[in-house]
Amino acid sequence: QQPVQSPQAVILREGEDAVINCSSSKALYSVHWYRQKHGEAPVFLMILLKGGEQMRHEKISASFNEKKQQSSLYLTASQLSYSGTYFCGTLGSNDYKLSFGAGTTVTVRA
Amino acid sequence: GAGVSQSPSNKVTEKGKDVELRCDPISGHTALYWYRQSLGQGLEFLIYFQGNSAPDKSGLPSDRFSAERTGGSVSTLTIQRTQQEDSAVYLCASQVLNTEAFFGQGTRLTVV
Repeated sequence: QQPVQSPQAVILREGEDAVINCSSSKALYSVHWYRQKHGEAPVFLMILLKGGEQMRHEKISASFNEKKQQSSLYLTASQLSYSGTYFCGTLGSNDYKLSFGAGTTVTVRA
Repeated sequence: GAGVSQSPSNKVTEKGKDVELRCDPISGHTALYWYRQSLGQGLEFLIYFQGNSAPDKSGLPSDRFSAERTGGSVSTLTIQRTQQEDSAVYLCASQVLNTEAFFGQGTRLTVV
């Protein structure tokens, strides 16, 4: 099953913070986060492993709650370059198949 | 190659025709995925190959869709008797198990 992301979209001013949530109904081995800019392929941001630590990419960080099968992506002090669609991808503990949520569109304005 | 390569980058076809989309994964990557992305939508899983295991075809939307991966490397996604609703960007990704997945630039398919 696909993970569920929220919110669907968020609009920020430069310097503001945002949180994107991702939840799954199945037991997870890992959570991946990707960002896709318009007309481009998704680009990897980070991976969170079961039992692993919170990860960080520039001022973007993420956490993974294994018990709740949830992950959150934190955009801190957002920059114009953070604009794009963020996808969480989940790898199940049983199938190791990477399934993606519907995405969260982030727009950062000056 | 340096990355995942997909061809063609764009394909316009007439309704009812068959099309083949090709994906060259990164050498040594055992996992290969096909996803479909309609305009403004998410990444819809189609099929997953892992090593020599039987592929996971659970995401193929109909029996008009099929895919194969030869020699554990190149993959071809075939759509038979194309319909207008098949119009989308088809993305291929490869990875070493449970590491970063690398995406190709996609094939934009337009069925007219």
